[in-house]
Formats: sequence, C-alpha cells, structure tokens
Amino acid sequence: SQQGEEDPQALSIQEGENATMNCSYKTSINNLQWYRQNSGRGLVHLILIRSNEREKHSGRLRVTLDTSKKSSSLLITASRAADTASYFCATDAKGEYGNKLVFGAGTILRVKS
Amino acid sequence: GAGVSQSPSNKVTEKGKDVELRCDPISGHTALYWYRQSLGQGLEFLIYFQGNSAPDKSGLPSDRFSAERTGGSVSTLTIQRTQQEDSAVYLCASSLAPSTDTQYFGPGTRLTVL
Repeated sequence: SQQGEEDPQALSIQEGENATMNCSYKTSINNLQWYRQNSGRGLVHLILIRSNEREKHSGRLRVTLDTSKKSSSLLITASRAADTASYFCATDAKGEYGNKLVFGAGTILRVKS
Repeated sequence: GAGVSQSPSNKVTEKGKDVELRCDPISGHTALYWYRQSLGQGLEFLIYFQGNSAPDKSGLPSDRFSAERTGGSVSTLTIQRTQQEDSAVYLCASSLAPSTDTQYFGPGTRLTVL
C-alpha cells in the first residue's frame, strides 16, 4: 500500500482563499516532501521538511509535520488561479522502502477566479 | 544547467510492439528514478539507479519491463510486447545523491498502447 495518503482528493476554492491539504503516512520517515504537478506531466518540488522539523515556510506555502500523528499539511495562502494543479506528498521510509520516495495519490486543487 | 529531459514526449504504439523510453538526467546526478502514472492516479515507483546499477527494481510490474543506465547518465526504459494496461505517463527523476532528498522530474513520456 502507498506510504502517503492525501486528503481531500479534490478541493475547489475561490481565488484569494486559503487551501489546506493533508497527508498521512504509515512508517517512520527521514523527510516528507510536497510536489506539484500541472496537466499530468512533470512534477515540481515545492518544499521538504525533515523529521526533526515541525513547520516550514516558503513564500505563500506553509508545511507542518506531526511525526507523532504521522501527518503533514500543506497550506497555500491567498490562492491564485495559477495554483490550480495536483499536489502530492512524498515520503521516504526507513528500512522497507530503501532509497526511494513513495508518493500519495494526490489532491487536485482548483482555484476559481 | 538543463533539467531532466525525456524522449519521446508522446508515443503511440500497437499492442504487442516493443517501446523504448529515454531519460537524460541532470548532469552530475548519480541517482535516477523511473515512475509510472496512470490517468488520475499517483506515481508508481518502477526502478531506481545508483550510477549504472539498480539496487531497487522492485516496482517493475512484469518481466516485460526492463531498464538500463549507461555511463552513469542516460537511462532507457524498455517495455516489450506492450499491453493496453501499459498506457500511462512514464516519469523520470534524478537527484544529486543516493538519498531521498529533492528529486528533479522530467516532463514525462505519455505512452498510449492501442
């Protein structure tokens, strides 16, 4: 089964609103990353948060990590139509999965102008 | 420098034919990954290269799938006797070190098997 699971599966908001996406995972991790994908093609790395960090910011993005709950959230503030995309969390896992990232199924975000 | 490139960008083939997909990683990146993404789904790991060797090929779905990497650079993913269920976007990524830090993705190859 997949390591990361995002919710909601789809999110539709108005421009200017905040968007929050959540990710849960199952095993212990070294880091958790969020990626964005436009139009079903290549992914773009957004932010990486390490297991000893609780919160990280990058521009309008804010990521939190709660290792006790094995969950992370991605907040996009003041959303824009250009933020419309699919967002994936990805975790590495110690042990079983070796040197690869395991991606969740993603959240489809639609920002209406 | 240039990012990860993949070719072709689109490939339409007939069931039963063999296809080769190419990935050129970022220069100097020792780790290379292949993923598959079916329509509306997340990424499915296929294989990981460290240099020219593949320590983890656990994601290859069948023996019709194989991959190689030469010179620690270009990688080719080959699918033999393609089936309709092989239709997907095949994504390649590279990273600087054999770790699970940031991966840089190519634009993908969209494979359609008729």
